[in-house]
Amino acid sequence: EPEVTQTPSHQVTQMGQEVILRCVPISNHLYFYWYRQILGQKVEFLVSFYNNEISEKSEIFDDQFSVERPDGSNFTLKIRSTKLEDSAMYFCASRDYTTDTQYFGPGTRLTVL
Amino acid sequence: SQQGEEDPQALSIQEGENATMNCSYKTSINNLQWYRQNSGRGLVHLILIRSNEREKHSGRLRVTLDTSKKSSSLLITASRAADTASYFCALGRYGGATNKLIFGTGTLLAVQP
Repeated sequence: EPEVTQTPSHQVTQMGQEVILRCVPISNHLYFYWYRQILGQKVEFLVSFYNNEISEKSEIFDDQFSVERPDGSNFTLKIRSTKLEDSAMYFCASRDYTTDTQYFGPGTRLTVL
Repeated sequence: SQQGEEDPQALSIQEGENATMNCSYKTSINNLQWYRQNSGRGLVHLILIRSNEREKHSGRLRVTLDTSKKSSSLLITASRAADTASYFCALGRYGGATNKLIFGTGTLLAVQP
């Protein structure tokens, strides 16, 4: 069964460094998302992406964040200058347009020191 | 608030018993999706129920939706130790190219062998 994949599974970085989180959505999906979950808290929407542009972003998704679909398969989330409070699990998801189901990847645990 | 509120926050049962989790919300929805999350792991999609549906089944799972009361319930029958996880409801709102999910706070289910 097709699945969303994410790399790396765990990323440790120093405060102020740039990180790029990578995702490969399910191949025939057109709608992509990033969510995050701070430890012990609920899953929060960050950004949605369709037709090579952002369709909606939350207030969390400030100028330090950017997303890109650099080729036909990858979908990336970049954090330009990480802060301690960016430490969280980041989930990529892609949506099946015919059923509205969102399929999530296994997540990248980002630790900012 | 827009998010779903699950109750109970935590539930402990014996293997073989049924587990019922509830989700209440305040906004209008297009669909409601239930996810399972094992500790520190990814989100696994369980079932989607549309706003014009009242009940859906999938294996040992039964989901109901009452849009007049703005509530949904997830029933797991004949529970197993492997069902131990956090369960989240996620509200899907019609939003064109967005269709972001708004997650609830989750119910932590512990199934004792």
